[in-house]
Amino acid sequence: DTAVSQTPKYLVTQMGNDKSIKCEQNLGHDTMYWYKQDSKKFLKIMFSYNNKELIINETVPNRFSPKSPDKAHLNLHINSLELGDSAVYFCASSQEPGSTQYFGPGTRLLVL
Amino acid sequence: GDSVTQMEGPVTLSEEAFLTINCTYTATGYPSLFWYVQYPGEGLQLLLKATKADDKGSNKGFEATYRKETTSFHLEKGSVQVSDSAVYFCALMKTSYDKVIFGPGTSLSVIP
Repeated sequence: DTAVSQTPKYLVTQMGNDKSIKCEQNLGHDTMYWYKQDSKKFLKIMFSYNNKELIINETVPNRFSPKSPDKAHLNLHINSLELGDSAVYFCASSQEPGSTQYFGPGTRLLVL
Repeated sequence: GDSVTQMEGPVTLSEEAFLTINCTYTATGYPSLFWYVQYPGEGLQLLLKATKADDKGSNKGFEATYRKETTSFHLEKGSVQVSDSAVYFCALMKTSYDKVIFGPGTSLSVIP
């Protein structure tokens, strides 16, 4: 009965690889988000989708590409991984833009 | 640009001590203000919020009052417990379609 789930929970990979992180919410929400949390716990939004449409796109390298196949899913694909991509990535969802956000447990990405 | 500043941690308190975590913000207009909590190994959870000046948000014994004149939203709790050990994030949002801007987080450790 997990509200916002992410897979995988941990991801260890080599520089230059391509990887994807999946997010699913079973709350019936219209809006989903991706955040990056660095090693100092600083949290910054990357993308936001509302009804599968991109509404927030922060200054993020083109190597990061979100995809929302339906309102319940927002996946994050990362090409050519770099050391600096190591972080915890959080997915979140809300009923609509501006309403309370519910966060997933995070995906801990380590790039070697 | 808009920003949120929090007192630096880590903060270490004994059980039943009084807690204050300072938060100030810079933003035009009248943003909504939030406190989120992140327990070890988990995603963020909304702790409380306030949407207009002089509003007081409260939850689980925590309180924060929206002070427009001092652009502050300090978090307080009268008697902390070991289970309150977590990282606390102050945040603001200007409009529904705006991103949430998080402060750097304040780590709290409560010792028995």
